[in-house]
Amino acid sequence: KAGVTQTPRYLIKTRGQQVTLSCSPISGHRSVSWYQQTPGQGLQFLFEYFSETQRNKGNFPGRFSGRQFSNSRSEMNVSTLELGDSALYLCASSPGGVQVGEQYFGPGTRLTVT
Amino acid sequence: GQQLNQSPQSMFIQEGEDVSMNCTSSSIFNTWLWYKQDPGEGPVLLIALYKAGELTSNGRLTAQFGITRKDSFLNISASIPSDVGIYFCAGQSHMDSNYQLIWGAGTKLIIKP
Repeated sequence: KAGVTQTPRYLIKTRGQQVTLSCSPISGHRSVSWYQQTPGQGLQFLFEYFSETQRNKGNFPGRFSGRQFSNSRSEMNVSTLELGDSALYLCASSPGGVQVGEQYFGPGTRLTVT
Repeated sequence: GQQLNQSPQSMFIQEGEDVSMNCTSSSIFNTWLWYKQDPGEGPVLLIALYKAGELTSNGRLTAQFGITRKDSFLNISASIPSDVGIYFCAGQSHMDSNYQLIWGAGTKLIIKP
């Protein structure tokens, strides 16, 4: 099976702009989670989608939003970018169901805000 | 809320040494997962544990699900240069109605030249 794919891999944006990141989960996986990782930091949970519904949400401002499509692909949007949004954004998929269970990560999208 | 304490934060070791790291939780977990992240990449699942007392190996890696269900350990035997990276633990509690995965802050493994 193909792994989790994320596009684009690298992105440079200017402060104030908005950005959309895409994630395609492993075939058959219904849960997609998003994480932000800044240099030297751990994984900060953004949100999790299961069957097109947001099931869990982390402590991030409303500028961060996401959605999931019927084919389980997910997008994450950040509006009004700030310099502090520069980070590696990781997407992870899992079979889903009652519990999130084992998550499998994509390679990430490296976002740089200038 | 639930918290996961992972220690040590970083480790400097000689090639060939054994490595131990652990995670402790403030509440009972039903699942423990261990991941490794190489620079610029996404974390890769190393070992998954689902039962208290369970001991599971993956090559030179061995992880254990603590009997109290509040901790887990990861050991790496005879470390080699490619073991360098950040190791994360993650746990899941069935007490959480949304079954959210809780993450440790990571242990950075560095091999001394």
